[in-house]
Amino acid sequence: NAGVTQTPKFQVLKTGQSMTLQCAQDMNHEYMSWYRQDPGMGLRLIHYSVGAGITDQGEVPNGYNVSRSTTEDFPLRLLSAAPSQTSVYFCASSFDGAGNEKLFFGSGTQLSVL
Amino acid sequence: GDSVTQMEGPVTLSEEAFLTINCTYTATGYPSLFWYVQYPGEGLQLLLKATKADDKGSNKGFEATYRKETTSFHLEKGSVQVSDSAVYFCALSEGGGTSYGKLTFGQGTILTVHP
Repeated sequence: NAGVTQTPKFQVLKTGQSMTLQCAQDMNHEYMSWYRQDPGMGLRLIHYSVGAGITDQGEVPNGYNVSRSTTEDFPLRLLSAAPSQTSVYFCASSFDGAGNEKLFFGSGTQLSVL
Repeated sequence: GDSVTQMEGPVTLSEEAFLTINCTYTATGYPSLFWYVQYPGEGLQLLLKATKADDKGSNKGFEATYRKETTSFHLEKGSVQVSDSAVYFCALSEGGGTSYGKLTFGQGTILTVHP
Protein backbone atom coordinates (compact mmCIF):
# COMPACT_ATOMS: atom_id res chain seq x y z
CA ASN A 1 0.00 0.00 0.00
CA ALA A 2 1.18 3.50 -0.84
CA GLY A 3 -0.63 5.01 2.17
CA VAL A 4 -0.68 8.82 2.06
CA THR A 5 1.19 10.37 -0.86
CA GLN A 6 2.14 14.03 -0.97
CA THR A 7 3.61 15.96 -3.88
CA PRO A 8 5.83 17.84 -4.36
CA LYS A 9 8.42 17.13 -1.66
CA PHE A 10 10.05 20.54 -2.03
CA GLN A 11 8.81 23.82 -3.50
CA VAL A 12 10.11 27.36 -3.67
CA LEU A 13 7.65 30.15 -4.44
CA LYS A 14 7.86 33.89 -4.82
CA THR A 15 5.56 36.09 -2.76
CA GLY A 16 2.17 36.35 -4.46
CA GLN A 17 2.41 33.13 -6.45
CA SER A 18 -0.23 30.45 -6.09
CA MET A 19 0.18 26.70 -6.00
CA THR A 20 -1.53 23.47 -4.99
CA LEU A 21 -0.08 20.85 -2.68
CA GLN A 22 -1.39 17.44 -3.62
CA CYS A 23 -2.44 14.72 -1.19
CA ALA A 24 -3.86 11.31 -2.02
CA GLN A 25 -4.60 8.25 0.08
CA ASP A 26 -5.48 4.73 -1.02
CA MET A 27 -6.87 3.40 2.26
CA ASN A 28 -10.48 4.53 1.72
CA HIS A 29 -10.25 6.80 4.77
CA GLU A 30 -13.10 9.24 5.30
CA TYR A 31 -11.15 11.71 7.43
CA MET A 32 -8.33 13.78 5.97
CA SER A 33 -6.49 16.82 7.27
CA TRP A 34 -3.70 19.26 6.56
CA TYR A 35 -1.16 20.40 9.16
CA ARG A 36 1.74 22.79 9.05
CA GLN A 37 4.86 22.22 11.13
CA ASP A 38 6.89 25.15 12.36
CA PRO A 39 9.90 25.06 14.71
CA GLY A 40 8.90 25.19 18.37
CA MET A 41 5.19 25.11 17.56
CA GLY A 42 4.47 21.49 16.80
CA LEU A 43 1.86 20.77 14.15
CA ARG A 44 -1.14 23.04 13.69
CA LEU A 45 -4.31 22.08 11.86
CA ILE A 46 -5.10 24.09 8.73
CA HIS A 47 -8.21 22.40 7.28
CA TYR A 48 -9.87 19.05 7.60
CA SER A 49 -12.51 16.96 5.86
CA VAL A 50 -14.91 14.33 7.17
CA GLY A 51 -15.79 12.99 3.74
CA ALA A 52 -16.16 13.84 0.06
CA GLY A 53 -17.76 17.24 -0.35
CA ILE A 54 -17.33 18.26 3.31
CA THR A 55 -14.52 20.47 4.60
CA ASP A 56 -14.00 22.73 7.58
CA GLN A 57 -11.43 25.11 9.02
CA GLY A 58 -8.84 24.21 11.59
CA GLU A 59 -6.69 26.41 13.79
CA VAL A 60 -4.78 28.33 11.07
CA PRO A 61 -6.92 28.41 7.87
CA ASN A 62 -6.16 31.91 6.57
CA GLY A 63 -4.49 31.97 3.17
CA TYR A 64 -5.40 28.38 2.33
CA ASN A 65 -8.27 26.72 0.49
CA VAL A 66 -9.22 23.05 0.28
CA SER A 67 -11.73 20.91 -1.55
CA ARG A 68 -12.66 17.24 -1.34
CA SER A 69 -14.24 16.07 -4.57
CA THR A 70 -13.27 12.42 -4.03
CA THR A 71 -12.55 10.25 -1.01
CA GLU A 72 -8.95 9.77 -2.16
CA ASP A 73 -7.79 13.33 -2.81
CA PHE A 74 -7.51 16.39 -0.58
CA PRO A 75 -5.49 19.19 -2.24
CA LEU A 76 -4.37 22.31 -0.37
CA ARG A 77 -4.27 25.56 -2.31
CA LEU A 78 -2.19 28.60 -1.48
CA LEU A 79 -3.97 31.51 -3.12
CA SER A 80 -1.25 34.17 -2.83
CA ALA A 81 1.86 32.88 -1.09
CA ALA A 82 3.41 34.91 1.72
CA PRO A 83 6.73 34.42 3.56
CA SER A 84 4.73 33.51 6.70
CA GLN A 85 3.60 30.38 4.85
CA THR A 86 7.14 29.03 4.72
CA SER A 87 6.73 25.74 6.55
CA VAL A 88 6.59 21.98 6.24
CA TYR A 89 3.12 20.76 5.33
CA PHE A 90 1.75 17.35 6.23
CA CYS A 91 -1.37 15.65 4.99
CA ALA A 92 -2.94 12.97 7.17
CA SER A 93 -5.83 10.55 7.00
CA SER A 94 -7.69 8.30 9.38
CA PHE A 95 -10.44 5.73 9.23
CA ASP A 96 -12.03 6.47 12.56
CA GLY A 97 -13.49 9.84 13.52
CA ALA A 98 -14.00 9.00 17.15
CA GLY A 99 -10.50 9.98 18.16
CA ASN A 100 -9.25 6.55 19.16
CA GLU A 101 -7.36 5.54 16.06
CA LYS A 102 -4.13 6.72 14.59
CA LEU A 103 -3.53 9.20 11.83
CA PHE A 104 -1.51 8.15 8.80
CA PHE A 105 0.82 10.91 7.66
CA GLY A 106 2.40 11.67 4.33
CA SER A 107 6.13 12.41 4.14
CA GLY A 108 5.59 16.15 3.90
CA THR A 109 6.11 19.10 1.56
CA GLN A 110 8.81 21.60 2.45
CA LEU A 111 7.69 25.01 1.16
CA SER A 112 9.78 28.16 1.03
CA VAL A 113 8.23 31.49 0.09
CA LEU A 114 10.72 34.19 -0.84
CA GLY B 1 -9.43 25.25 23.92
CA ASP B 2 -7.42 22.07 24.18
CA SER B 3 -3.65 22.33 24.51
CA VAL B 4 -0.60 20.10 24.98
CA THR B 5 2.66 21.16 26.63
CA GLN B 6 5.87 19.17 26.28
CA MET B 7 9.14 19.56 28.11
CA GLU B 8 11.65 21.89 26.54
CA GLY B 9 14.27 20.23 24.39
CA PRO B 10 16.48 19.20 22.85
CA VAL B 11 17.35 16.13 24.89
CA THR B 12 20.76 14.51 24.46
CA LEU B 13 21.49 11.11 25.99
CA SER B 14 24.06 8.37 25.82
CA GLU B 15 23.06 4.94 24.56
CA GLU B 16 21.37 2.79 27.24
CA ALA B 17 20.36 5.82 29.33
CA PHE B 18 16.85 6.22 30.76
CA LEU B 19 14.51 8.55 28.89
CA THR B 20 11.63 10.66 30.17
CA ILE B 21 9.83 13.27 28.07
CA ASN B 22 7.17 15.11 30.02
CA CYS B 23 3.78 15.92 28.55
CA THR B 24 0.82 17.64 30.19
CA TYR B 25 -2.48 18.56 28.65
CA THR B 26 -5.55 20.74 29.06
CA ALA B 27 -8.81 19.45 27.66
CA THR B 28 -12.51 19.31 28.30
CA GLY B 29 -14.13 15.94 28.42
CA TYR B 30 -12.19 12.72 28.04
CA PRO B 31 -9.52 12.99 25.36
CA SER B 32 -7.46 10.22 23.84
CA LEU B 33 -3.70 10.71 24.18
CA PHE B 34 -0.95 9.82 21.74
CA TRP B 35 2.79 9.89 21.23
CA TYR B 36 3.97 10.28 17.65
CA VAL B 37 7.55 10.00 16.43
CA GLN B 38 9.14 11.71 13.43
CA TYR B 39 12.39 10.31 12.07
CA PRO B 40 14.55 12.60 9.93
CA GLY B 41 13.00 13.38 6.57
CA GLU B 42 9.82 11.43 7.27
CA GLY B 43 6.25 12.05 8.30
CA LEU B 44 4.92 11.33 11.76
CA GLN B 45 4.05 7.82 12.82
CA LEU B 46 2.11 6.64 15.83
CA LEU B 47 4.30 5.34 18.64
CA LEU B 48 1.67 4.57 21.27
CA LYS B 49 -1.72 5.66 22.54
CA ALA B 50 -4.07 5.54 25.53
CA THR B 51 -7.77 6.19 25.32
CA LYS B 52 -8.88 6.38 28.95
CA ALA B 53 -7.57 7.21 32.40
CA ASP B 54 -4.98 4.79 33.87
CA ASP B 55 -4.43 3.11 30.50
CA LYS B 56 -0.79 2.41 29.65
CA GLY B 57 0.30 2.57 26.04
CA SER B 58 3.47 0.74 25.05
CA ASN B 59 5.47 0.00 21.91
CA LYS B 60 9.13 -0.68 21.03
CA GLY B 61 10.15 -0.38 24.70
CA PHE B 62 8.44 3.00 25.14
CA GLU B 63 5.66 3.44 27.69
CA ALA B 64 3.27 6.19 28.76
CA THR B 65 0.42 6.15 31.31
CA TYR B 66 -2.69 8.31 31.03
CA ARG B 67 -2.90 10.16 34.38
CA LYS B 68 -6.12 12.10 34.63
CA GLU B 69 -5.40 13.40 38.13
CA THR B 70 -2.21 15.12 36.97
CA THR B 71 -3.34 15.61 33.33
CA SER B 72 -0.11 14.02 32.17
CA PHE B 73 1.11 11.45 29.65
CA HIS B 74 4.88 11.23 30.13
CA LEU B 75 6.92 9.12 27.72
CA GLU B 76 9.54 6.76 29.16
CA LYS B 77 12.04 4.21 27.91
CA GLY B 78 14.42 2.26 30.09
CA SER B 79 17.36 2.04 27.69
CA VAL B 80 17.55 4.23 24.59
CA GLN B 81 19.37 3.34 21.39
CA VAL B 82 20.98 5.50 18.73
CA SER B 83 18.09 4.52 16.44
CA ASP B 84 15.65 6.27 18.82
CA SER B 85 17.03 9.66 17.77
CA ALA B 86 14.00 11.52 16.42
CA VAL B 87 11.43 14.19 17.25
CA TYR B 88 8.69 13.09 19.65
CA PHE B 89 5.25 14.71 19.72
CA CYS B 90 2.61 14.37 22.39
CA ALA B 91 -0.93 14.86 21.08
CA LEU B 92 -4.56 14.58 22.05
CA SER B 93 -7.88 14.18 20.33
CA GLU B 94 -11.33 14.86 21.64
CA GLY B 95 -13.10 11.76 22.82
CA GLY B 96 -16.75 10.92 22.42
CA GLY B 97 -16.78 10.49 18.67
CA THR B 98 -16.26 14.11 17.71
CA SER B 99 -12.58 14.37 16.86
CA TYR B 100 -13.07 13.89 13.08
CA GLY B 101 -9.42 12.90 12.74
CA LYS B 102 -8.13 16.14 14.29
CA LEU B 103 -5.27 16.23 16.75
CA THR B 104 -3.81 18.91 19.00
CA PHE B 105 -0.03 18.59 19.17
CA GLY B 106 2.66 19.65 21.59
CA GLN B 107 5.66 21.52 20.26
CA GLY B 108 7.81 18.42 19.88
CA THR B 109 10.98 17.28 21.66
CA ILE B 110 14.16 16.54 19.74
CA LEU B 111 15.97 13.48 21.10
CA THR B 112 19.57 12.74 20.15
CA VAL B 113 21.21 9.55 21.39
CA HIS B 114 24.99 9.21 21.17
CA PRO B 115 26.87 5.87 21.06
